[in-house]
Amino acid sequence: DVKVTQSSRYLVKRTGEKVFLECVQDMDHENMFWYRQDPGLGLRLIYFSYDVKMKEKGDIPEGYSVSREKKERFSLILESASTNQTSMYLCASSPLTGGNEQFFGPGTRLTVL
Amino acid sequence: QKEVEQNSGPLSVPEGAIASLNCTYSDRGSQSFFWYRQYSGKSPELIMSIYSNGDKEDGRFTAQLNKASQYVSLLIRDSQPSDSATYLCAATSGGYQKVTFGIGTKLQVIP
Repeated sequence: DVKVTQSSRYLVKRTGEKVFLECVQDMDHENMFWYRQDPGLGLRLIYFSYDVKMKEKGDIPEGYSVSREKKERFSLILESASTNQTSMYLCASSPLTGGNEQFFGPGTRLTVL
Repeated sequence: QKEVEQNSGPLSVPEGAIASLNCTYSDRGSQSFFWYRQYSGKSPELIMSIYSNGDKEDGRFTAQLNKASQYVSLLIRDSQPSDSATYLCAATSGGYQKVTFGIGTKLQVIP
């Protein structure tokens, strides 16, 4: 079974803090993704990576950056957290071959005060 | 902007009935289509994938794809209260194996 884990289930931070969200997958997948999910807006892609040290902007990259130093790990960084970044953050991974099925981690519910 | 459209619901069906969930997509280049189930407070779980026109059955679930109409559906037979969840439709789009998700349809199965 594909296993995607995220570093925290719940996180509370202050405005202006730098926030790191970590994601690790154990299935040797090439592709990794970060989404945020908000009520009424659905899943929105922040960044994705198709290889180590490679990254591409998604639909809403502003205020975020990412790092992928190892194949299994993909980090999302909020450079200076703001209240409008309060959301559920979901990491996913998918293999390079096959049907592009994405497998999700459990999510991190981030609250920025 | 490539889109996947779903009715947000809620869709209410009695226990034992067939639930029919529908989705349309705008990118004619989409090749792969998915249905995810998401329980409240949990992350999406892949339940069905479909790649070619027609029906694909897996247990109580049937996915249907019509590329000419750009239409995807999910049928859940003998609906159970445990099927109550939000169902996300998704389709591949763009390059680098990106997937676009619909907003999700909330299904309520009434005992």
